[in-house]
Amino acid sequence: GAVVSQHPSWVICKSGTSVKIECRSLDFQATTMFWYRQFPKQSLMLMATSNEGSKATYEQGVEKDKFLINHASLTLSTLTVTSAHPEDSSFYICSASDPSYNEQFFGPGTRLTVL
Amino acid sequence: EDQVTQSPEALRLQEGESSSLNCSYTVSGLRGLFWYRQDPGKGPEFLFTLYSAGEEKEKERLKATLTKKESFLHITAPKPEDSATYLCAVRRGKFQFGAGTQVVVTP
Repeated sequence: GAVVSQHPSWVICKSGTSVKIECRSLDFQATTMFWYRQFPKQSLMLMATSNEGSKATYEQGVEKDKFLINHASLTLSTLTVTSAHPEDSSFYICSASDPSYNEQFFGPGTRLTVL
Repeated sequence: EDQVTQSPEALRLQEGESSSLNCSYTVSGLRGLFWYRQDPGKGPEFLFTLYSAGEEKEKERLKATLTKKESFLHITAPKPEDSATYLCAVRRGKFQFGAGTQVVVTP
């Protein structure tokens, strides 16, 4: 299967700071990438869908000004959590797909802790 | 509204004790039903895609089947390393995930 990486794997930051998470597709071109959030013992919650070269589509209830998504190339998407607060602490996971695949391939996730 | 429901929420098995997980769905125009395995603190790992009723796929001790309303993930003679949360998802446009079944296999 395709390989997707995320960086960093974990991050601790102070309240009010911004944090950027990178998602890369390593062996295929990802025309579409997805960002999910997962709380303990809960399933994945889709935050937004990003297509290369266009604006991300956010799910209802997700603040686009708080969670900035950029998909500037076919192998890289970034999620920036702006002015992070403790309630933003969560496990963030990206996934990627391309037209050749019907599946999504997931990154290993990023654990964000906001103090 | 599309819905994906997994049962049971949790399953505790003895090593070698076969069992099945259920994923029921209500979605029109299904473009695939997907099974993933997720270990704690990690991203989901892709297992199977099923597209049409009657389809079956196998990988080691796992076999996934699909009907028009549900999918089953059969675990045959599980080992402790099969312990994980198993997620199913359906795709019409975007993916929708179930809540998962947490499986614990004890020696």
